[in-house]
Amino acid sequence: AQTVTQSQPEMSVQEAETVTLSCTYDTSESDYYLFWYKQPPSRQMILVIRQEAYKQQNATENRFSVNFQKAAKSFSLKISDSQLGDAAMYFCAYRSAGSGYALNFGKGTSLLVTP
Amino acid sequence: DTEVTQTPKHLVMGMTNKKSLKCEQHMGHRAMYWYKQKAKKPPELMFVYSYEKLSINESVPSRFSPECPNSSLLNLHLHALQPEDSALYLCASSQFATLVLRQNTGELFFGEGSRLTVL
Repeated sequence: AQTVTQSQPEMSVQEAETVTLSCTYDTSESDYYLFWYKQPPSRQMILVIRQEAYKQQNATENRFSVNFQKAAKSFSLKISDSQLGDAAMYFCAYRSAGSGYALNFGKGTSLLVTP
Repeated sequence: DTEVTQTPKHLVMGMTNKKSLKCEQHMGHRAMYWYKQKAKKPPELMFVYSYEKLSINESVPSRFSPECPNSSLLNLHLHALQPEDSALYLCASSQFATLVLRQNTGELFFGEGSRLTVL
């Protein structure tokens, strides 16, 4: 089974600054998908960004970008120009291609954004 | 429409009650999921439906009974629950339960969840 590790239970960032959330995963597969989901206190899980393992280029979505290191099995999320609305729990998730019915989640990182 | 709609948003029930959680999506997705989430924890997979058939049951106690009447609807029937079953129950959908590389985007779309309290 694939495991996803988020080693930072909590992170804090000031408004307008940049923060990086870490995620590593363990897999023997070559084809898979990686995701970052955001869960604010309103509780809905919202997709932040997606990365397909076969793509070498790092995904970006506006202020959110990833550093995908396939050999190192690392998938970090960078949030630039942090905003108060970015405060949430962030989950890194893995999904197998082909046999991956569902997402394997990391334990999450709680991000606090201070004014 | 990229929404997954869950009802009710909040539910309080006694241990002898029977209740149901409902989930609906109109994105044409063929896979639907139930997850259970405790406070400050990641979601835990309970059930996966693929083309309206139960594909995965993660050893969930029989007091939870899923049902998929059609490709747009997913229910979770609750009976004789325990206080430790109190949690946020998340419904999700995706294009397919199994992915074809480079043809699917792979993500799950989640509803807002149903907050269940068992007294």
